[in-house]
Amino acid sequence: EIVLTQSPATLSLSPGERATLSCRASQSVSSYLAWYQQKPGQAPRLLIYDASNRATGIPARFSGSGSGTDFTLTISSLEPEDFAVYYCQQRSNWPPGWITFGQGTRLEIK
Amino acid sequence: QLQLQESGPGLVKPSETLSLTCTVSGGSISSSSYYWGWIRQPPGKGLEWIGSIYYSGSTYYNPSLKSRVTISVDTSKNQFSLKLSSVTAADTAVYYCARLGSLWGQGTLVTVSS
Repeated sequence: EIVLTQSPATLSLSPGERATLSCRASQSVSSYLAWYQQKPGQAPRLLIYDASNRATGIPARFSGSGSGTDFTLTISSLEPEDFAVYYCQQRSNWPPGWITFGQGTRLEIK
Repeated sequence: QLQLQESGPGLVKPSETLSLTCTVSGGSISSSSYYWGWIRQPPGKGLEWIGSIYYSGSTYYNPSLKSRVTISVDTSKNQFSLKLSSVTAADTAVYYCARLGSLWGQGTLVTVSS
């Protein structure tokens, strides 16, 4: 089973600052890595799929990078609405319906 | 526009079976290359994958839940369903259905209590 470890657990920043969130896999997931944003009381929303592709309607300030075991979500300049919890998620090449989540990073206002 | 909606009882007694259905609208569940899944989130905690299904009926389950989980699909109704047996308080969570890698339903809170 592939384990995803996110760091830091909590990130305290101010609006306008740059946020860098990390996700490390226990073994290679190739580029099959997604990032989700979750706000209180809401379902997670897909931000990035296949490591670096922005989902439909996601602002350009969100970007993803990495492959293999190390991945990064970058928010170039934080907006007030970006403070939320972020999860990474991997999907297996085989079996293809098998997924796991990281434990989440809480991005809070400093 | 694709939408997913969970439905089912919000309260289940311990030792009973939790049953939820996800209705897909605005698109066909038989669309190729997509997997459909169930994910849950206990109050204040992170996300846990329960299992996935392809429209053909192929299923994949989280090993930690596999002995208690059944996921099925009804393409004629554009729905897929979750059954979780022998529930305990630890199964209290918001349950989400999703088209894996894209859109999620809004979630439904299921409480296990007598």
